[in-house]
Amino acid sequence: ELQLVESGGGAVQPGGSLRLSCVGSGFAFDDHAMHWVRQTPEKGLEWVSGINYDDASRGYADFAQGRFTISRDNARNALYLQLNSLRPEDSAIYFCAKDFSRGWVFWYFDLWGRGTPVTVSS
Amino acid sequence: QSVLTQPPSASGTPGQRVTMSCSGSSSNIGGNAVNWYQQVPGKAPKLLIYTNDKRPLEVPDRFSASKSDTSASLAISGLQSEDEADYYCATWDDSLNGHVFGTGTKVTVL
Repeated sequence: ELQLVESGGGAVQPGGSLRLSCVGSGFAFDDHAMHWVRQTPEKGLEWVSGINYDDASRGYADFAQGRFTISRDNARNALYLQLNSLRPEDSAIYFCAKDFSRGWVFWYFDLWGRGTPVTVSS
Repeated sequence: QSVLTQPPSASGTPGQRVTMSCSGSSSNIGGNAVNWYQQVPGKAPKLLIYTNDKRPLEVPDRFSASKSDTSASLAISGLQSEDEADYYCATWDDSLNGHVFGTGTKVTVL
């Protein structure tokens, strides 16, 4: 069964850090780019970051640049998102998504996980 | 703050046809393919339409989409109760160098 399962979300104070994980199964994980997308009631869906199938290229939304780091371990079929210097406005459900292609640009997300919630509050 | 604008809501009775729009600009829809996602409340988004008008095999042909210039539209024919969900358009933005989503349209089946 095609599946993405996220974990690692939780509650953290402003300025804190979290590391999100996503494990894929049922498809050739190492043959696809992967992404993180977040969702809030106020802003809806927001693309956070993407990474090529071979980790040769990464991209970030402006709000994530310099604070968040995407990475992957193809041997473990795993995708990660390191969240640093967290702000209350980073509170959201974070989804892992599989790209149709090998590159993180242009294409579309054909499989999504169920998400992991992040709450940033003092 | 989204660069793609959708109407907040749409509704219809079972069997009716419902349409929704997605408005962008030359840096996104005007030069790139549009994709649509369906999200049932509390669930993960699901790919509904890709590359402007193509349906994944498991998506019923009641769903159709098109693109023209800097706008796109999604139509649901023969509306069913299970179509009650939020619908998001999405594409690549050349100026932002990133993926962008629409504001979302909530479809209600009356």
